Amino acid sequence: GAVVSQHPSWVICKSGTSVKIECRSLDFQATTMFWYRQFPKQSLMLMATSNEGSKATYEQGVEKDKFLINHASLTLSTLTVTSAHPEDSSFYICSASRGWNTEAFFGQGTRLTVV
Amino acid sequence: QKEVEQNSGPLSVPEGAIASLNCTYSDRGSQSFFWYRQYSGKSPELIMFIYSNGDKEDGRFTAQLNKASQYVSLLIRDSQPSDSATYLCAVNGYNNNDMRFGAGTRLTVKP
Repeated sequence: GAVVSQHPSWVICKSGTSVKIECRSLDFQATTMFWYRQFPKQSLMLMATSNEGSKATYEQGVEKDKFLINHASLTLSTLTVTSAHPEDSSFYICSASRGWNTEAFFGQGTRLTVV
Repeated sequence: QKEVEQNSGPLSVPEGAIASLNCTYSDRGSQSFFWYRQYSGKSPELIMFIYSNGDKEDGRFTAQLNKASQYVSLLIRDSQPSDSATYLCAVNGYNNNDMRFGAGTRLTVKP
């Protein structure tokens, strides 16, 4: 159990376009989903925390209008990178947890390259 | 002050030895603590979680929590080359259901 599927696993897009990344919990209901960004050889940086049915809580320095997060159901959250630029190229990873302060399980990650 | 701190390593141990990984956190009210393992280019996978002071054992892994010292550690017994990875400590805050990670410790187990 506790499988989280993230799609796509990699994407290349042109500068100025938008990219949507999906995160699904396949065998449990995820009341909370987390979105992280990881640059090469660096740690996971929390971008935002989203609870089903409510607006995401963004970390300081993360532009909510650029990184749109939707958590419309207990099994799906999406991250849309709008007007992507080369500096947005990174490894984006989602994780999902069943409840408050419980363990979170990670998706496979999405490697985004903006050219 | 970083919220979750780990020694970045690299930590190198011989096969069969005990690897000891340490983590400190700044939020005294933190409730839950996690250890993840991340192989290069992959997403993290959960090893263990611990909520209460003391030790928690699962196979070759033991997590230790000391809330008074704001310290959590992971011991890996009988280390194997396949344990070579980056180990990430994660802490959930008291007031917020967020999960913040340390920078990770890179472990190398030499045959």
